[in-house]
Amino acid sequence: DTGVSQNPRHKITKRGQNVTFRCDPISEHNRLYWYRQTLGQGPEFLTYFQNEAQLEKSRLLSDRFSAERPKGSFSTLEIQRTEQGDSAMYLCASSPGTGYEQYFGPGTRLTVT
Amino acid sequence: AQTVTQSQPEMSVQEAETVTLSCTYDTSESNYYLFWYKQPPSRQMILVIRQEAYKQQNATENRFSVNFQKAAKSFSLKISDSQLGDTAMYFCAPSGMDSSYKLIFGSGTRLLVRP
Repeated sequence: DTGVSQNPRHKITKRGQNVTFRCDPISEHNRLYWYRQTLGQGPEFLTYFQNEAQLEKSRLLSDRFSAERPKGSFSTLEIQRTEQGDSAMYLCASSPGTGYEQYFGPGTRLTVT
Repeated sequence: AQTVTQSQPEMSVQEAETVTLSCTYDTSESNYYLFWYKQPPSRQMILVIRQEAYKQQNATENRFSVNFQKAAKSFSLKISDSQLGDTAMYFCAPSGMDSSYKLIFGSGTRLLVRP
């Protein structure tokens, strides 16, 4: 068990560019979550997958955001036409099929200049 | 909307002393889960302790214990024998409050353990 991994750890991009983040969950965890955390705040839920199915999306997930989890393993989160307000830490978490506890990755810190 | 309130933005405790962090939440569900997570400076979120709402017995994990009052919708975290490594942001995060698996985080309490 190597834990949840996220890449890249840091991303600096210019406003208007597209960015993509990757999350690799703990092996055999069938639920995967994305959260966004701004400085000094608690994380906010973005979206959730069970296996390859995206089962819930927050209103925070505007149409510039898209997430996928092909084959029910790793997941990607893409932000199109980035804005300065997208600057945040993007956290990924996974959980097993039983139980509600979630295990977090180290996050990807996005800075939009 | 489900809400989680952590009314103590910052707390400070002397090493080896005991500190209690408070959390209240709002839900109409009867069965849900409650978690405390720790986020050390520049490090990732770590699960500290969990509590199932259907269990009356309060959860304990080594120096960490909770006081769960279901009727009052209160879920406080007690840290005994505080250590310097306990310095971190602590988040209360219920799950299942709206029949969803997502965690709903409070705004956090920044805990400083003084030597």
